Amino acid sequence: GAGVSQTPSNKVTEKGKYVELRCDPISGHTALYWYRQSLGQGPEFLIYFQGTGAADDSGLPNDRFFAVRPEGSVSTLKIQRTERGDSAVYLCASSPGLLAGSPKNIQYFGAGTRLSVL
Amino acid sequence: ILNVEQSPQSLHVQEGDSTNFTCSFPSSNFYALHWYRWETAKSPEALFVMTLNGDEKKKGRISATLNTKEGYSYLYIKGSQPEDSATYLCAFIYGGSQGNLIFGKGTKLSVKP
Repeated sequence: GAGVSQTPSNKVTEKGKYVELRCDPISGHTALYWYRQSLGQGPEFLIYFQGTGAADDSGLPNDRFFAVRPEGSVSTLKIQRTERGDSAVYLCASSPGLLAGSPKNIQYFGAGTRLSVL
Repeated sequence: ILNVEQSPQSLHVQEGDSTNFTCSFPSSNFYALHWYRWETAKSPEALFVMTLNGDEKKKGRISATLNTKEGYSYLYIKGSQPEDSATYLCAFIYGGSQGNLIFGKGTKLSVKP
């Protein structure tokens, strides 16, 4: 399979715990995006990587959220001290990034990680 | 605040019916509009990328139009089939952004056999 892979597909945790969500983008894609879809809402932008660097992290809701992409491929979204309001589907997308952030670049999505904070 | 609105929120049609949905977006600072199809438990799948006013795109029985001056796009499905059942999302990209998508809430389509 050459698509975007996200693990785990489901994660149940308790309030206050730390979680990590992983995204394996399509090989060779330099641009990587994280989005979050809360119940009844459309997906909301969290962070964008171009290569290893976070080019835009303006969508991260607070400092409990952090993401890394150390080798420019796999990315991990980290959430500290989880709260019930963090429950959502977390989506990852990658694109070729031929031109940084080019609107003509289709974003290829993973199936998401459904996070439930009890 | 950049707002993308989609209507209707949900739609139930019979197999063979044709249907259409609307996406409204800011008419200023437009850069691109994307349409995605998202089936339950699967990945959102890109349908169209639209950038020019007056654009019309077609993929099989699905087509889309774009009016950037008034800030709307229509998605049409001709002769709906049960396999068309999904949530259809539109997403706006504004000029100067890094390509991050601003999504509407989607239109959930259910097609009954």
